[in-house]
Amino acid sequence: GAVVSQHPSWVICKSGTSVKIECRSLDFQATTMFWYRQFPKQSLMLMATSNEGSKATYEQGVEKDKFLINHASLTLSTLTVTSAHPEDSSFYICSARRGPYNEQFFGPGTRLTVL
Amino acid sequence: DAKTTQPPSMDCAEGRAANLPCNHSTISGNEYVYWYRQIHSQGPQYIIHGLKNNETNEMASLIITEDRKSSTLILPHATLRDTAVYYCIVRVVSDSWGKLQFGAGTQVVVTP
Repeated sequence: GAVVSQHPSWVICKSGTSVKIECRSLDFQATTMFWYRQFPKQSLMLMATSNEGSKATYEQGVEKDKFLINHASLTLSTLTVTSAHPEDSSFYICSARRGPYNEQFFGPGTRLTVL
Repeated sequence: DAKTTQPPSMDCAEGRAANLPCNHSTISGNEYVYWYRQIHSQGPQYIIHGLKNNETNEMASLIITEDRKSSTLILPHATLRDTAVYYCIVRVVSDSWGKLQFGAGTQVVVTP
């Protein structure tokens, strides 16, 4: 149990376009999901907390208008990178929170390359 | 959440136990110790967590010192597939957000 999927697993896009990444909890409901970004040889950086039915909470320094998050159901959160630029190229990872100990289960990640 | 300190890297021989240390000297009484690992180009994987008692599951054992200022993750019989970055994180379980803040972790390389 506790499987989290992401789609797509990788995406290449042109500069200026928008890209949507989906995060799904497959066998449990998650009122809270998280979005992380990871640059090469660096650790994961928390970008935002996504709550079902309400606005996301962004970490300091993360542009909310550039990284749009929608948590429309208990099993799906989406991250849209708007007007992507090469510096947005990164590994984007989501996680879903479950259980009394707030365990987080992570998706496999989405590698975004912006040309 | 309390900060943690881990060695940047460790080598381990296949089949041997791997002991990964973590210092968390400013840990509060209501903060748990969590361990995750990240295999290259994958999402992190939960390993184990504990408050003050030692814990064991099918993946690893967690030994927490009596003063809770440090802990050790033990992989009893390391395999090549255990090569990964291991993250020690401390946080309050009752935190309604449940956010995890990742540090640099320890790069563990298991060699034949």
